[in-house]
Amino acid sequence: DQQVKQNSPSLSVQEGRISILNCDYTNSMFDYFLWYKKYPAEGPTFLISISSIKDKNEDGRFTVFLNKSAKHLSLHIVPSQPGDSAVYFCAASEGATGANNLFFGTGTRLTVIP
Amino acid sequence: DAGITQSPRHKVTETGTPVTLRCHQTENHRYMYWYRQDPGHGLRLIHYSYGVKDTDKGEVSDGYSVSRSKTEDFLLTLESATSSQTSVYFCAISDMVRGNSYEQYFGPGTRLTVT
Repeated sequence: DQQVKQNSPSLSVQEGRISILNCDYTNSMFDYFLWYKKYPAEGPTFLISISSIKDKNEDGRFTVFLNKSAKHLSLHIVPSQPGDSAVYFCAASEGATGANNLFFGTGTRLTVIP
Repeated sequence: DAGITQSPRHKVTETGTPVTLRCHQTENHRYMYWYRQDPGHGLRLIHYSYGVKDTDKGEVSDGYSVSRSKTEDFLLTLESATSSQTSVYFCAISDMVRGNSYEQYFGPGTRLTVT
């Protein structure tokens, strides 16, 4: 059973506008959440993360919001750029003072239209 | 980019043959992982290593074995490949940073096709 879900397989956004990618999870023990970006024929690249003790983390054009009560997180990209076109994976983990298993969603393909 | 390489990058093999995929890192990270990516599933953990000769199973470990004889190398072996193991395989690494090891860094992947 998928513990991390990305219900939108794809999203198209005009250049310069905001992209919002959503992710839901079911395991209340997850305490850390990450977003990865993936281009074709490459490995996932770490983008941004958030601890469960926070509700927002910002890094340049990327902001991740966490709503623990709703078990929901979102990634905001503003302004969106054509180079942001990629597949975005949400991932979650439980307790990482050693090797840890990241649970991934199925990904959302973002297309930024010039 | 983290110094992670995977070999081969592409492989086609026949059902029943053994296959070994290699992950090599130059970051001296303690933890290494093998994931597979399949449509409709995202990435799923196969096996991981928490040190030389120390490995454990992930959520989809059946049909796979691993070995880690050196810090920098983590091998994934399919003892007898099946068509259900056709997938893209990613190696990842992590280490303790600021008290946790959540952030994993991925290699470029190996596309394996079992015919």
